[in-house]
Amino acid sequence: DQQVKQNSPSLSVQEGRISILNCDYTNSMFDYFLWYKKYPAEGPTFLISISSIKDKNEDGRFTVFLNKSAKHLSLHIVPSQPGDSAVYFCAARMGAGANNLFFGTGTRLTVIP
Amino acid sequence: ETGVTQTPRHLVMGMTNKKSLKCEQHLGHNAMYWYKQSAKKPLELMFVYNFKEQTENNSVPSRFSPECPNSSHLFLHLHTLQPEDSALYLCASDRRTGIGELFFGEGSRLTVL
Repeated sequence: DQQVKQNSPSLSVQEGRISILNCDYTNSMFDYFLWYKKYPAEGPTFLISISSIKDKNEDGRFTVFLNKSAKHLSLHIVPSQPGDSAVYFCAARMGAGANNLFFGTGTRLTVIP
Repeated sequence: ETGVTQTPRHLVMGMTNKKSLKCEQHLGHNAMYWYKQSAKKPLELMFVYNFKEQTENNSVPSRFSPECPNSSHLFLHLHTLQPEDSALYLCASDRRTGIGELFFGEGSRLTVL
């Protein structure tokens, strides 16, 4: 059973607007959450992360919000740019080491110029 | 360029063939991983190597055989595969003590006929 879920397989947003990508998880033992971005024909690249002791982490146009009571996190991209068009994977970690990393199925973001 | 290189990028093989995927990392990391990405499924961790020692095998069928001759190189030997093994195989590395910020290669797209 999937412990990390991205229920929206795709999202389209106009350039300059906000993109909000959502992720839900089931295991309250997760202590770290990450977002990866994947362009076609490339491997995923790390984008931003957040510890479970925080509720927000910001890096430039990217902000991740964590709502532990709802077991929900979201990635906000403001303003969205055409170069942001990619597949975004949410991942959650339980304990140290990447071998305890659980991934979602990804959301394909298309930013329309 | 993530510092993790995979070859070949594309591979087509019959069910009776024997082939190998290669991964090389130039980042000085001490842990390397094989992941499988199938359509509409989360990334699946297959094997973990830490300082050349295999530390995890996530119930992967024996038709997949990993090899890690040193901390910079990782192979995945393939034999008598099934069509359902067709997928994108991703190699990744990290510092093992990290939070899960994996560095991925571009992947090897495998098609089994």
